[in-house]
Amino acid sequence: GAGVSQSPSNKVTEKGKDVELRCDPISGHTALYWYRQSLGQGLEFLIYFQGNSAPDKSGLPSDRFSAERTGGSVSTLTIQRTQQEDSAVYLCASSLEAENEQFFGPGTRLTVL
Amino acid sequence: QKEVEQNSGPLSVPEGAIASLNCTYSDRGSQSFFWYRQYSGKSPELIMFIYSNGDKEDGRFTAQLNKASQYVSLLIRDSQPSDSATYLCAVNSMDSSYKLIFGSGTRLLVRP
Repeated sequence: GAGVSQSPSNKVTEKGKDVELRCDPISGHTALYWYRQSLGQGLEFLIYFQGNSAPDKSGLPSDRFSAERTGGSVSTLTIQRTQQEDSAVYLCASSLEAENEQFFGPGTRLTVL
Repeated sequence: QKEVEQNSGPLSVPEGAIASLNCTYSDRGSQSFFWYRQYSGKSPELIMFIYSNGDKEDGRFTAQLNKASQYVSLLIRDSQPSDSATYLCAVNSMDSSYKLIFGSGTRLLVRP
């Protein structure tokens, strides 16, 4: 596709449930990033992938958060036992190589009731 | 102290005027600087990037970088109502150059 795609666009879940968020980066982009943007807040870095490896997971808020990337392409961010404070827009970005310009997908708006 | 600081605004300018958006950063080793535009309810869109001291122009947009003063700015000439959005400044981390540190953004309003 022409740009980064994410699914679902919106997700409403109940506290305690697990959710999976998907990101499909721009074709050929080796680097992939997940960010979180809470209401009225700046973007918060979560994790960075180079190929299928995640050399930097330092931004993941807790061990309830995990992510994987397969085939050097699609990535999934999983949040287990969701809490209300997990409500935010989760944004995925990709770049041709690390340090290059990052292009964002449309985001997944997660609401935990 | 925040790593990337921006005035939250709103910055209100009349249509046709020059809008000047400013950003300061604390990490003296940062090498890459980006401006993103974010419309309400949408994701950030890259509009400019700059790596070297000085000015970089692209259409109505000019990015200015002064590493000695740790200052980066974005000028929008001939502002249009469609430019009304939040502008995010992003700077790469000295320790992890792939990691972008974002400011909280400046909201720009262009009055018709």
